[in-house]
Amino acid sequence: SQQGEEDPQALSIQEGENATMNCSYKTSINNLQWYRQNSGRGLVHLILIRSNEREKHSGRLRVTLDTSKKSSSLLITASRAADTASYFCATGEPGSNYKLTFGKGTLLTVNP
Amino acid sequence: NAGVTQTPKFQVLKTGQSMTLQCAQDMNHEYMSWYRQDPGMGLRLIHYSVGAGITDQGEVPNGYNVSRSTTEDFPLRLLSAAPSQTSVYFCASSPMTGSTYEQYFGPGTRLTVT
Repeated sequence: SQQGEEDPQALSIQEGENATMNCSYKTSINNLQWYRQNSGRGLVHLILIRSNEREKHSGRLRVTLDTSKKSSSLLITASRAADTASYFCATGEPGSNYKLTFGKGTLLTVNP
Repeated sequence: NAGVTQTPKFQVLKTGQSMTLQCAQDMNHEYMSWYRQDPGMGLRLIHYSVGAGITDQGEVPNGYNVSRSTTEDFPLRLLSAAPSQTSVYFCASSPMTGSTYEQYFGPGTRLTVT
């Protein structure tokens, strides 16, 4: 069963705007990762946040984690057309940080 | 490094045929896994391996076999293809040292079963 559920399913914004995607999960986790998938390609790892962390930054990416609400958000600032892709959250189950469970993803379209 | 490679890129099978999807990585990663991705769905774990000679089932293992005789290779076998196995298959690998837990994905194999 899917552990993570992203929201919204699709998001369309203009270049330069910020994009926020949310992920909710059901059980306790050791870590939560975000991946990007360009159309027809494999997934690329973006960022990982551990269960004892609340916020993490990497370039234009900001990830937050609220374990009490079992939710995470991914913020992409100053979006570019090249950010157009599907974004997935993936959770590592307790006892196995490598056995990931993926959500269904958010399709982000950044219009030039 | 080539990273994670998958062959073939595309394949069409008839119901009942068998085939092997190849996956190789040149990063000396211990962990390797197979996922399938269906339209509107995330990735679902089929099988995984934490090292040569060690494999285990994921969420959707029925109809698939795997083996891991070397660190580099992790083939996925479809025993008797069914239309429900039409999907895009991704192989991924990860080092089991350090603390990044990042997985590296191959480009995928698009399989159609008629």
